[in-house]
Amino acid sequence: AQSVTQLDSQVPVFEEAPVELRCNYSSSVSVYLFWYVQYPNQGLQLLLKYLSGSTLVKGINGFEAEFNKSQTSFHLRKPSVHISDTAEYFCAVSGDQTGTASKLTFGTGTRLQVTL
Amino acid sequence: GAVVSQHPSRVICKSGTSVKIECRSLDFQATTMFWYRQFPKQSLMLMATSNEGSKATYEQGVEKDKFLINHASLTLSTLTVTSAHPEDSSFYICSARDRILTYEQYFGPGTRLTVT
Repeated sequence: AQSVTQLDSQVPVFEEAPVELRCNYSSSVSVYLFWYVQYPNQGLQLLLKYLSGSTLVKGINGFEAEFNKSQTSFHLRKPSVHISDTAEYFCAVSGDQTGTASKLTFGTGTRLQVTL
Repeated sequence: GAVVSQHPSRVICKSGTSVKIECRSLDFQATTMFWYRQFPKQSLMLMATSNEGSKATYEQGVEKDKFLINHASLTLSTLTVTSAHPEDSSFYICSARDRILTYEQYFGPGTRLTVT
């Protein structure tokens, strides 16, 4: 079984400030990790993913995340946010095999609110 | 990039009627498609996994007879909400898993269902 915890339901931040959205996971198998962004009334857009290799993953829109196996974390960061980054962010995990282990399990989401 | 479409984007129906939602992978073949439900300000909950040419696998607590899923081809899956009730009102999102790159899911834009 897999689970994802996003401790922060809301993160307010001023424009041009740095931000970190936290994600911790648990799994009995090796995992793939994902961050998605959702704008109001839209589907999910993939920001970045960790499959293997370098633990620092760079994604779209200036976001990056670091996989930390010992802490079972995959925190999302951006050095300078824009108003347009205001959205809901979901962390997700899947097993690295085909079949039922490859289902995505989502966290509860973090609302990033960027203000002037 | 991989594109998944959903139709309709919004639908309003009367209580007791049935509604069909289509999910299409436009530029890739998807042996597996997933159907999610999302309530306001909440995360995505997996309803069922749809495999091309076979019966869907439903998550615990999801009524098979109420949410009929058909995956007749490698590019199309449909979700039919039968005898809809106001409590079925929700945002329904599908995703499709690439036949080759099986670790990644591509999400549709979602369908807003309102049952009056």
